[in-house]
Amino acid sequence: SQTIHQWPATLVQPVGSPLSLECTVEGTSNPNLYWYRQAAGRGLQLLFYSVGIGQISSEVPQNLSASRPQDRQFILSSKKLLLSDSGFYLCAWSPRSTYEQYFGPGTRLTVT
Amino acid sequence: AQSVAQPEDQVNVAEGNPLTVKCTYSVSGNPYLFWYVQYPNRGLQFLLKYITGDNLVKGSYGFEAEFNKSQTSFHLKKPSALVSDSALYFCAVRPPSNRDDKIIFGKGTRLHILP
Repeated sequence: SQTIHQWPATLVQPVGSPLSLECTVEGTSNPNLYWYRQAAGRGLQLLFYSVGIGQISSEVPQNLSASRPQDRQFILSSKKLLLSDSGFYLCAWSPRSTYEQYFGPGTRLTVT
Repeated sequence: AQSVAQPEDQVNVAEGNPLTVKCTYSVSGNPYLFWYVQYPNRGLQFLLKYITGDNLVKGSYGFEAEFNKSQTSFHLKKPSALVSDSALYFCAVRPPSNRDDKIIFGKGTRLHILP
C-alpha cells in the first residue's frame, strides 16, 4: 500500500531564516505531487504541483519554491521566511488519471 | 469561473440523527467530485468520489454522497451521526476540462456532533 511522509511535524523558525520541508511517497511510482498551505484550520491554498521529476508548476507568486529531485520526493523551500508564511503545510499525491489526492500528516510552521 | 461552494461554515447535529453537509459546484461539463475529512492537526483523508455511474456514492465510515446534476450539488450524508464524526469536511471538484490533475477545494464545513 502507499504511504506519504512529511517532516518535520512542527517547526518554529524566526523571520528571515531559511525553510526546507520534505515529503516522500512510498509504494507507488510516477505520482503527481502537491504542496498546499492551510491557514487557521480552514481552506486549502495550492502552492505547487508536479507531474514529474524537475517539473514544477507554481500557483501563487511568493517567496516559496519547490523542487522534485526524485520521483517520489517533493521539497518546499524558502530562503527567507516571512511572518505570513506561518500555517499548516500539507503534501499530497495522486495516481495518474484517477484524480483523488492522498494527504500527508502535515507540518505546522510558526514563523516568529 | 469554476468553483465549489460549501454554504455552511458549521453544522450541528445530535448524535444518532442523520447528517447532511452541503456542496454545490460550478464547472462546465461533467465534473469529478470528492469529499475529504480532516481531524484536528491532521492531513485530509479521502472519503469518497463520484466520477460516473450511480448518483449515490458510498464511502468510508458509513458516509455517502448524492450527485445531482440538475442542482449541481454533491451533498455528503450519513444516516446516523457519531460523536467521532466531528471534524472539518471538504468538498472538491476536478473540472473535466483540466489538462492537469489539480482539484478545487471548498472552504470546508465544520461538523459538530452533539452527544
